[in-house]
Amino acid sequence: GENVEQHPSTLSVQEGDSAVIKCTYSDSASNYFPWYKQELGKGPQLIIDIRSNVGEKKDQRIAVTLNKTAKHFSLHITETQPEDSAVYFCAASPAGFGNEKLTFGTGTRLTIIP
Amino acid sequence: GAVVSQHPSRVICKSGTSVKIECRSLDFQATTMFWYRQFPKQSLMLMATSNEGSKATYEQGVEKDKFLINHASLTLSTLTVTSAHPEDSSFYICSARVHGGLSTDTQYFGPGTRLTVL
Repeated sequence: GENVEQHPSTLSVQEGDSAVIKCTYSDSASNYFPWYKQELGKGPQLIIDIRSNVGEKKDQRIAVTLNKTAKHFSLHITETQPEDSAVYFCAASPAGFGNEKLTFGTGTRLTIIP
Repeated sequence: GAVVSQHPSRVICKSGTSVKIECRSLDFQATTMFWYRQFPKQSLMLMATSNEGSKATYEQGVEKDKFLINHASLTLSTLTVTSAHPEDSSFYICSARVHGGLSTDTQYFGPGTRLTVL
């Protein structure tokens, strides 16, 4: 089955700086890669996702890049703000119309230092 | 965006009792709903996948007789933890996947239910 590794497990950055979180996956059949933000005591919130037909996607201060050859994808947050502090999870799945499951990474606790 | 609700948000029960958690997709129809469990400072672990009108598919190691799932409609799934014990205490989160359309692989998560078994 799919295995997703995520690094780093914790990350502290100064407010205004950029943060990068990296994930690798093992199953070449995976072609859907979402990123979720989870605040304490809440459910995960989808912040951005990418499908394998593109290499990069941006949404304001958030971007995701995908390298299918190397089987890795990354989340980039620019101009970080205190409200970006949370746990971020990457995930991977083979997209389709059946019961495709998400396999999650282990999470990254991001702390923005004011 | 798509909204998923869960009820209750928090429940405390005595050991041996059963607890039902509801998961609803509020503004879309969900082909499939998923149930996850999350222990403190850990990632989400998939428990089961349910489709409307059919039996749930459970992940290896998850007892189907203990965690009963009913997916009665395209907007409602329930998880019942039967004869709960302290080791069942956890954060239970559901997700729902959009029915039809171009984004059938996108999962939207509920806010979670904190279960504490005394």
